[in-house]
Amino acid sequence: GESVGLHLPTLSVQEGDNSIINCAYSNSASDYFIWYKQESGKGPQFIIDIRSNMDKRQGQRVTVLLNKTVKHLSLQIAATQPGDSAVYFCAEYPLDRGSQGNLIFGKGTKLSVKP
Amino acid sequence: NAGVMQNPRHLVRRRGQEARLRCSPMKGHSHVYWYRQLPEEGLKFMVYLQKENIIDESGMPKERFSAEFPKEGPSILRIQQVVRGDSAAYFCASSNNGQNTEAFFGQGTRLTVV
Repeated sequence: GESVGLHLPTLSVQEGDNSIINCAYSNSASDYFIWYKQESGKGPQFIIDIRSNMDKRQGQRVTVLLNKTVKHLSLQIAATQPGDSAVYFCAEYPLDRGSQGNLIFGKGTKLSVKP
Repeated sequence: NAGVMQNPRHLVRRRGQEARLRCSPMKGHSHVYWYRQLPEEGLKFMVYLQKENIIDESGMPKERFSAEFPKEGPSILRIQQVVRGDSAAYFCASSNNGQNTEAFFGQGTRLTVV
């Protein structure tokens, strides 16, 4: 089965609130993780990544947290905007597989932002 | 610098027909990855190609599916004798260094088999 999954398939938030999207993984060999945003009718767009030697990484309005103990990562979006409405995927990548490794995607969480 | 271009954006095929999906990578990129996305699902890796070579096809079905990336021209994902279960969105990504974690995705081809 899938080694990457998401706790919540849908998330609805009010504009201006913070959003938290969660992801669980089971492959302890995975040491690189990426969050993607996919808008309707478009391909995935890279948001932020994190390596397993880190537990937190911040970008513009986004923060990714990694908890290796429980194999969990989350994406936090600050001051959520209508343009953030999309499906968000986490993906894992076992770096020990080198360039021939492939990304393993979770099923995704749909984020809806209410004005 | 144009992004990854996929065409057609939408493709309708009858069962038993062939589907050809094209992917032109970003300029300067020689590594191409194909993924399939079923409705309400995440992307599933299919195949990784570098110019004229298949590097990893571990995610591609052994029958009816093939991929190529010739020296000149786009990468082609070919599905022969399509069945309803092939209906999905097919995404292509490209990178310049063989690291698919740094790849850029195209907008996908949505295949519908009727």
